[in-house]
Amino acid sequence: DQQVKQNSPSLSVQEGRISILNCDYTNSMFDYFLWYKKYPAEGPTFLISISSIKDKNEDGRFTVFLNKSAKHLSLHIVPSQPGDSAVYFCAASETDSWGKLQFGAGTQVVVTP
Amino acid sequence: EPEVTQTPSHQVTQMGQEVILRCVPISNHLYFYWYRQILGQKVEFLVSFYNNEISEKSEIFDDQFSVERPDGSNFTLKIRSTKLEDSAMYFCASSEGTGYSPLHFGNGTRLTVT
Repeated sequence: DQQVKQNSPSLSVQEGRISILNCDYTNSMFDYFLWYKKYPAEGPTFLISISSIKDKNEDGRFTVFLNKSAKHLSLHIVPSQPGDSAVYFCAASETDSWGKLQFGAGTQVVVTP
Repeated sequence: EPEVTQTPSHQVTQMGQEVILRCVPISNHLYFYWYRQILGQKVEFLVSFYNNEISEKSEIFDDQFSVERPDGSNFTLKIRSTKLEDSAMYFCASSEGTGYSPLHFGNGTRLTVT
């Protein structure tokens, strides 16, 4: 089941620079998208979300962009900080299945000094 | 900040034994979930629960699995007769409601079936 894909398993970025994480999906019924961050031995921590009626949502250093026609979303982190080093998951759900999230495989982000 | 708590953090059990994984969701949340992540695989949905009944379940959630909210604070996942392939990280989550309401996850219980 590959409804949500994160094609980059890892990303290395310098502290202070922008991190851009990408996510593609195939299910046109998805209309709620979320990004989670996960540290080892912890559960996923909610970062930011976007509904399909929007194309951008911003919260502090985190911005999510949604391109419905391309079935693509991205997460921008500006500026990147060492504490941002973690695995980032993209997730999506359908209107009729709230809470039944489909997760991507994750992208390991490493922020270097 | 309120959080979802799970116990135990690690559970080791023998194949065929019953296990109960426990969760305390965020107090004002109404929707509860269990997810799991097998090592090296994606996080996958097991079941959602609202108003004391299952809202939705995945194909994984067969008759060996059950969920319960035995009191006003706990939410449990029971695996009746564990198999080796049940070894995974099990995450409990809760949300305020449906409709653009994010899920908040606990730190998980690592279940090892030997």
